[in-house]
Amino acid sequence: QVQLQESGPGLVKPSQTLSLTCTVSGGSISSGDYYWSWIRQHPGKGLEWIGYIYYSGSTYYNPSLKSRVTISVDTSKNQFSLKLSSVTAADTAVYYCARLVDTIPRAYYMDVWGKGTTVTVSS
Amino acid sequence: SSELTQDPAVSVALGQTVRITCQGDSLRSYYASWYQQKPGQAPVLVIYGKNTRPSGIPDRFSGSNSGNTASLIITGAQAEDEADYYCNSRDSSGNHHYVFGTGTKVTVL
Repeated sequence: QVQLQESGPGLVKPSQTLSLTCTVSGGSISSGDYYWSWIRQHPGKGLEWIGYIYYSGSTYYNPSLKSRVTISVDTSKNQFSLKLSSVTAADTAVYYCARLVDTIPRAYYMDVWGKGTTVTVSS
Repeated sequence: SSELTQDPAVSVALGQTVRITCQGDSLRSYYASWYQQKPGQAPVLVIYGKNTRPSGIPDRFSGSNSGNTASLIITGAQAEDEADYYCNSRDSSGNHHYVFGTGTKVTVL
C-alpha cells in the first residue's frame, strides 16, 4: 500500500524559499502510471493545485505560481520535492503531496494523499 | 484557466439523499474526481471517472455527469458524511493543468 509523507520546516521567513519533500513508500515513484503532485490549502479555505512532476522530470505548474515554483524528483530516494521562492504570509498553508493517476482516458484523479504539513511564513 | 463552481453549503437530513454539483467548462472534456475532507484531515478520494468508487468507499456515494456539470450523490446520508467536498478536473485548455472546485460544506441534520 503506497503511502506519502511530507517533511520540511514548519516556519519560513518572508522572502525566503519554502522547501518540502514528499517521501513515497510502498511503491516506486518511477511507475509510469502516476504523476506526483503538490496541493495546498490556506487556513479555512479550499484546495489549490500547485503542480506535478512525472518520474522523468516533466513538470506542470499552476500558472498563478509558476514563476516561483520548482518541483523536482529524486528517483534514487523515491522522493519528490517542492520549492516555492520569495514567500509571503499569503503562502501560509497546509501543503499536501498526492499521487495523480493517469491510466483512464479523460479520468484523472489523486488517489493517495499525504497527511499534510503546515507551513507558516512569518518573521 | 478553467474554474469549477460548487454551492458553498448544503444540508441533508439523516438518511436522506443529497446531490452536490460542480460546474465548469472542463467537465465537457474530462470527468471530475471528488474528495471528502473532514476537519484536520487530508482529502480522501470518493469518486472518480464515470462513476467509480475506490476500495473502502461506501456504495451510498455515487457520481453522475451531464454536459458541464458533475454531481456527487450521497444516498442515505450518515452522520459521518458531514464534511467538505471538492471536485477536481484537468483544465480543458490542453495545458495539463488541474483545478479544484470551490468546495461544498455538507451538514447532516
